[in-house]
Amino acid sequence: NAGVTQTPKFQVLKTGQSMTLQCAQDMNHNSMYWYRQDPGMGLRLIYYSASEGTTDKGEVPNGYNVSRLNKREFSLRLESAAPSQTSVYFCASTKDWPDTQYFGPGTRLTVL
Amino acid sequence: SQQGEEDPQALSIQEGENATMNCSYKTSINNLQWYRQNSGRGLVHLILIRSNEREKHSGRLRVTLDTSKKSSSLLITASRAADTASYFCATDGGRRALTFGSGTRLQVQP
Repeated sequence: NAGVTQTPKFQVLKTGQSMTLQCAQDMNHNSMYWYRQDPGMGLRLIYYSASEGTTDKGEVPNGYNVSRLNKREFSLRLESAAPSQTSVYFCASTKDWPDTQYFGPGTRLTVL
Repeated sequence: SQQGEEDPQALSIQEGENATMNCSYKTSINNLQWYRQNSGRGLVHLILIRSNEREKHSGRLRVTLDTSKKSSSLLITASRAADTASYFCATDGGRRALTFGSGTRLQVQP
């Protein structure tokens, strides 16, 4: 099993550009999550999907949209990137709440 | 705002010593989890302790939970250089998702 995979690993955008971060898990997990981590800080929840077909806002949802494409895939979209969105983005999944979360390797995003 | 807050923010010890990190949180929880993050990598789950448990062990890790004080501690015994990482506590802050603290950066000197 690959676990949780994320693409791309690195991305540089200009202010106002859009992009989609992809996340997929092959563990048949029900819940999936998007976090961002700023330097020297913990993770902050952007959006999550408790089950296929549902999505909910987390702590810092402004400027982002998500799609739970199917049970395996959960994407995060930045419609109009801003420098404040420069961060490392992590996707995670869990079989059932509140079990262990499994994390992807992260996407390092820089917005100029 | 962060539900869990770790203390200290940074800790430097010698190999073989024990490392203790503390976590305080604000609201009632169902469980508390500890994660480790090596530099530039994703988080790895270490241990989960439920609200009705007071202590849990896993290898060289010992976690305690005091729900009356809304606090938890992570003890790593006989530390190794490979334990160098950031350690985060995470709680279920009222939604079906975890809330992470800002972490303790542990440096183990060989």
